[in-house]
Amino acid sequence: EAQVTQNPRYLITVTGKKLTVTCSQNMNHEYMSWYRQDPGLGLRQIYYSMNVEVTDKGDVPEGYKVSRKEKRNFPLILESPSPNQTSLYFCASSFRPAGEYGYTFGSGTRLTVV
Amino acid sequence: AQSVSQHNHHVILSEAASLELGCNYSYGGTVNLFWYVQYPGQHLQLLLKYFSGDPLVKGIKGFEAEFIKSKFSFNLRKPSVQWSDTAEYFCAVNARKAGGYQKVTFGTGTKLQVIP
Repeated sequence: EAQVTQNPRYLITVTGKKLTVTCSQNMNHEYMSWYRQDPGLGLRQIYYSMNVEVTDKGDVPEGYKVSRKEKRNFPLILESPSPNQTSLYFCASSFRPAGEYGYTFGSGTRLTVV
Repeated sequence: AQSVSQHNHHVILSEAASLELGCNYSYGGTVNLFWYVQYPGQHLQLLLKYFSGDPLVKGIKGFEAEFIKSKFSFNLRKPSVQWSDTAEYFCAVNARKAGGYQKVTFGTGTKLQVIP
């Protein structure tokens, strides 16, 4: 089954403790992206990757890092999480850049930073 | 800057009522248009999409949307909603800019609550 797999689904952490949210897709998509979803703000793009070793900032990249060492994986790294990063995070992949023909989304990671 | 507006933030309907959710975007170039649906506790799923051709597109579960270029709109419709349509609906626009650069922008979402 074609899918984007995110882990963990839920995460509670403390301020400053580094964490990684994993994302993996099995569709051989070149384009992958991370979004955060906040009430009233919709989805905002954090980072995206056009291909292996090619990443770029989205609209809200501050406080986040990403890497793309393999085509299937696109982890999101919070090196020093802060409470304002409490949010629902989605990984998405697409055949064409920027979801030109539509995204496949992961199931989401609800992160709480206390 | 490219933007997408969904004017209805929260819509409450009774079952069998007709639905229309508004979506307007601000970009004059070539666009692909999407509606995504997010059921409670789940991820976003593609509901329907418009690339070109017939401006009336049909998606899954009886949903349809009409692209009106002159109004920069892509409204979502369903003739008769069901309780299972309770979800949040997001409009999204993929815009192709000079040099091949593409960007997708999501609206802020409309929460639909269908009362049995």
